[in-house]
Amino acid sequence: SQTIHQWPATLVQPVGSPLSLECTVEGTSNPNLYWYRQAAGRGLQLLFYSVGIGQISSEVPQNLSASRPQDRQFILSSKKLLLSDSGFYLCAWSARQGLVYGYTFGSGTRLTVV
Amino acid sequence: AQKITQTQPGMFVQEKEAVTLDCTYDTSDPSYGLFWYKQPSSGEMIFLIYQGSYDQQNATEGRYSLNFQKARKSANLVISASQLGDSAMYFCAMSSEPGRRALTFGSGTRLQVQP
Repeated sequence: SQTIHQWPATLVQPVGSPLSLECTVEGTSNPNLYWYRQAAGRGLQLLFYSVGIGQISSEVPQNLSASRPQDRQFILSSKKLLLSDSGFYLCAWSARQGLVYGYTFGSGTRLTVV
Repeated sequence: AQKITQTQPGMFVQEKEAVTLDCTYDTSDPSYGLFWYKQPSSGEMIFLIYQGSYDQQNATEGRYSLNFQKARKSANLVISASQLGDSAMYFCAMSSEPGRRALTFGSGTRLQVQP
């Protein structure tokens, strides 16, 4: 079966510290991968997406970067966190699943920058 | 560019009644897919229902149905026989190439089901 793992679930980091969030997918190959951020009570904002290893597209210029070192691994990073980086980060993958085009989300990481 | 608009920040419904959550969209793409997701307080995104732009019939999945009106560019979610467990945030989303391009989300509607 196809699953997506995202960790950690919660994270409290001081301003100026680095960040690394990891997402891995199982049960599929060459998925499209996405990082979204959700501010409190708001919708999901696309940060990055990747169609293959080493292929990253950035949607919003900011303090974050993404990398895809392996087919089923997607990493969100920052060298120096800002207070505005606080939020709920969701990783997702997509593929055609039968007749339905599915987008499956990880369980999310709640990041608080203090 | 695609845009999803959800004009109801919050909705209340009595248990066992039906409720409609509004969603309008804007796109210049001739082909697209529309999605609804449920987000409980835990934060997980739960897929509810999908409608393709060329689908002739409105999608249904159990108690969920999608009222798709292409000319009006609306894709409202109808939940029948509301249950207390339906209380959550609901997001409408779309993609011009479902499965191959990212989803664009609306701002969401918080639904509260009252006993």
